[in-house]
Amino acid sequence: RKEVEQDPGPFNVPEGATVAFNCTYSNSASQSFFWYRQDCRKEPKLLMSVYSSGNEDGRFTAQLNRASQYISLLIRDSKLSDSATYLCVVTGGTTDSWGKLQFGAGTQVVVTP
Amino acid sequence: EAGVVQSPRYKIIEKKQPVAFWCNPISGHNTLYWYLQNLGQGPELLIRYENEEAVDDSQLPKDRFSAERLKGVDSTLKIQPAELGDSAVYLCASSLGGGAPNEQFFGPGTRLTVL
Repeated sequence: RKEVEQDPGPFNVPEGATVAFNCTYSNSASQSFFWYRQDCRKEPKLLMSVYSSGNEDGRFTAQLNRASQYISLLIRDSKLSDSATYLCVVTGGTTDSWGKLQFGAGTQVVVTP
Repeated sequence: EAGVVQSPRYKIIEKKQPVAFWCNPISGHNTLYWYLQNLGQGPELLIRYENEEAVDDSQLPKDRFSAERLKGVDSTLKIQPAELGDSAVYLCASSLGGGAPNEQFFGPGTRLTVL
């Protein structure tokens, strides 16, 4: 079983709709969580960090559920430009404060007109 | 400010040949990462440097892969000899470093094809 798992999608979303998806992680000692966005044939770019209390950045909301060991990303009022692959990153789990950096395989979102 | 620079952008080689990738991180970033990304997968960490020290190379296949960051700035990743399965995108990233992970800035990657 992979340490970080994501539904690969694609999630086909009408423009203006809301889409949400999760990322599960297996190491309960994981400490830091991030969502990155990767456009086709481009490098990943940080979308947002995920805080224990949950956080929002414009149309994007990230949540962390430590008890069930998943993080979520919700996109409201989807735009065509939101079409991308969303990668979750989980770190921590060893004595090193960083722990092991683990990327999920990504969830593809396709926003349609 | 310039981002992370990688070269070459594309490389095609025959199996058993050596290949090297170069990365220049963002100025002032102490942490440098090399990742491998296969199609449809997320990046997989190969090695992480804090300045010139490799602090996590547990995922680096040391029989054929090597990396260096001699002066704690730019870095080189080498494969010798390359195998067919090494075809992938090799990404370099950098971050400010410090006591906890923070935002990583990625370069455009080197797309390697091994024939």
